[in-house]
Amino acid sequence: DAGVIQSPRHEVTEMGQEVTLRCKPISGHNSLFWYRQTMMRGLELLIYFNNNVPIDDSGMPEDRFSAKMPNASFSTLKIQPSEPRDSAVYFCASSRTTGEQYFGPGTRLTVT
Amino acid sequence: GENVEQHPSTLSVQEGDSAVIKCTYSDSASNYFPWYKQELGKRPQLIIDIRSNVGEKKDQRIAVTLNKTAKHFSLHITETQPEDSAVYFCAASTHNTDKLIFGTGTRLQVFP
Repeated sequence: DAGVIQSPRHEVTEMGQEVTLRCKPISGHNSLFWYRQTMMRGLELLIYFNNNVPIDDSGMPEDRFSAKMPNASFSTLKIQPSEPRDSAVYFCASSRTTGEQYFGPGTRLTVT
Repeated sequence: GENVEQHPSTLSVQEGDSAVIKCTYSDSASNYFPWYKQELGKRPQLIIDIRSNVGEKKDQRIAVTLNKTAKHFSLHITETQPEDSAVYFCAASTHNTDKLIFGTGTRLQVFP
């Protein structure tokens, strides 16, 4: 199994641009999580899906952030418009229900 | 909601010594407690976990203990090695959700 796949691995963009991060969970996993990691705030859960349905989006910082999961093998996290304070590493993770969460390699986002 | 506190934030030990990291949680309904290790520039990876129906679990040089009454759990690493140097995160979740609440992390440095 290839594990959780994320793309791109690095993204550098200018303030105000739209950013789309992508994630492919491990096949057979029915829960998918988006996290943001910064030195100041640590590892924060942004949103998670179960069976493609958003269950808890209380961690989404503001309306500029949105996430979708159109099918069991793909999810996106979009930031529009991006701001410098959005610079962070964004991790996607997947799991079977109430099981171990497997993290992807992360996307390092830099907004200038 | 659940809140997880983790101490210490940094820990330095000599190779061969033991290291202990402690976490407390607030939600008495929490019943799953994983520990993740994150090496510099890498993704978090599960190293050990414990469920609330047991008090202790061991895997070679690492062990986790759980005190449900006091609502705290600890990670013990014996005979530390330089490759144990990393950031360690504790987390907690409840039975009815896949959502993990992470502690703020402990940076462990093992000096040769």
